[in-house]
Amino acid sequence: GESVGLHLPTLSVQEGDNSIINCAYSNSASDYFIWYKQESGKGPQFIIDIRSNMDKRQGQRVTVLLNKTVKHLSLQIAATQPGDSAVYFCAENRAAGNKLTFGGGTRVLVKP
Amino acid sequence: DAMVIQNPRYQVTQFGKPVTLSCSQTLNHNVMYWYQQKSSQAPKLLFHYYDKDFNNEADTPDNFQSRRPNTSFCFLDIRSPGLGDAAMYLCATSRDVSGGAPYEQYFGPGTRLTVT
Repeated sequence: GESVGLHLPTLSVQEGDNSIINCAYSNSASDYFIWYKQESGKGPQFIIDIRSNMDKRQGQRVTVLLNKTVKHLSLQIAATQPGDSAVYFCAENRAAGNKLTFGGGTRVLVKP
Repeated sequence: DAMVIQNPRYQVTQFGKPVTLSCSQTLNHNVMYWYQQKSSQAPKLLFHYYDKDFNNEADTPDNFQSRRPNTSFCFLDIRSPGLGDAAMYLCATSRDVSGGAPYEQYFGPGTRLTVT
């Protein structure tokens, strides 16, 4: 079936280094992708989104890359900080009904 | 601040005893969603409302029901909770996307349900 999945369940990164979280999706009709950050005991928090007519989008310390050819999405976090420790989910959104399909999640652990 | 509010944050219920979780929003969004998130898993959509139109996911058990009395409020009713229904329940909202591009979903903090 259609799904969104992640390659790495846990990512351990040194404080100050850059983090890269990867996500594969299988529905070529998806036209909108979102990265969410979820801290323990909290709801998902929007980080950044990208539409399928783009291949890169930058925010504050974060960059999302979209490769439609291989159906791959990545989130780059620059200068990772302790506050970045959380679970990160990618999600695809199909225009019909604005429903999100989440990937499995990657836990990022920032080492001091 | 405009936001999505969920009450209670923690709910304990007994096996088989009906329970209702509530969600309210000050964003004036047309669409409201309920997700179930089990430990170490991704959120899974149960159903959503587009205005007053209810849209159930095909694999959502009949045990889960929802009500949306007005734009601001949405309720999740679990008629006979089982041990397998213990999870975090997340409410989310988004803007009207009828015929248009999809928009970001805003999530509440969740209600953690324990079934004893």
